[in-house]
Amino acid sequence: EPEVTQTPSHQVTQMGQEVILRCVPISNHLYFYWYRQILGQKVEFLVSFYNNEISEKSEIFDDQFSVERPDGSNFTLKIRSTKLEDSAMYFCASSDLIAYEQYFGPGTRLTVT
Amino acid sequence: EDKVVQSPLSLVVHEGDTVTLNCSYEVTNFRSLLWYKQEKKAPTFLFMLTSSGIEKKSGRLSSILDKKELFSILNITATQTGDSAIYLCAVEALSGGGADGLTFGKGTHLIIQP
Repeated sequence: EPEVTQTPSHQVTQMGQEVILRCVPISNHLYFYWYRQILGQKVEFLVSFYNNEISEKSEIFDDQFSVERPDGSNFTLKIRSTKLEDSAMYFCASSDLIAYEQYFGPGTRLTVT
Repeated sequence: EDKVVQSPLSLVVHEGDTVTLNCSYEVTNFRSLLWYKQEKKAPTFLFMLTSSGIEKKSGRLSSILDKKELFSILNITATQTGDSAIYLCAVEALSGGGADGLTFGKGTHLIIQP
């Protein structure tokens, strides 16, 4: 069964460093999403992406964040200068144009020290 | 602001029991309500509901949506220890952009005791 994959599974970085989280969405999906879940809290929407541009973004998705689809398969989330409060699990999701059901990847645990 | 409230926040039952998990929502331009199961990491898709009164069923799990009263329930019959997880409810609002972010509730932490 096709699935969303994410790398790395765990990333540790120092405050102020840039990180890039990678996702490979399900191959025939055209909508892509990033969410985050701070430990013990709700899953929160960050951004959605369609047709090579941002479709929707939340208040959390400020200038520190950017997304890109650098090739036909990868979808990335970049955090320019990480802060302690960026420590969270980051989930990538994708959906198709018909059913809109969003399927989630296994997540990347980001720890900022 | 869109809001999703789940109840109960936690529930402990014995194997074989039937459970009902609740989700109420307030959202502008409702498109759909989704249920996910979260075990160790990623939310796993269970159901997507868009129409009132139509039950969706998968094995021992079923769900229904009431768009008039703005709530949904997820039923699990004959529970097994493998059903232990956090069950997440999320709503999707139509933003006009096509790819709409989900608003999640806090989840119901379900524990099935042998």
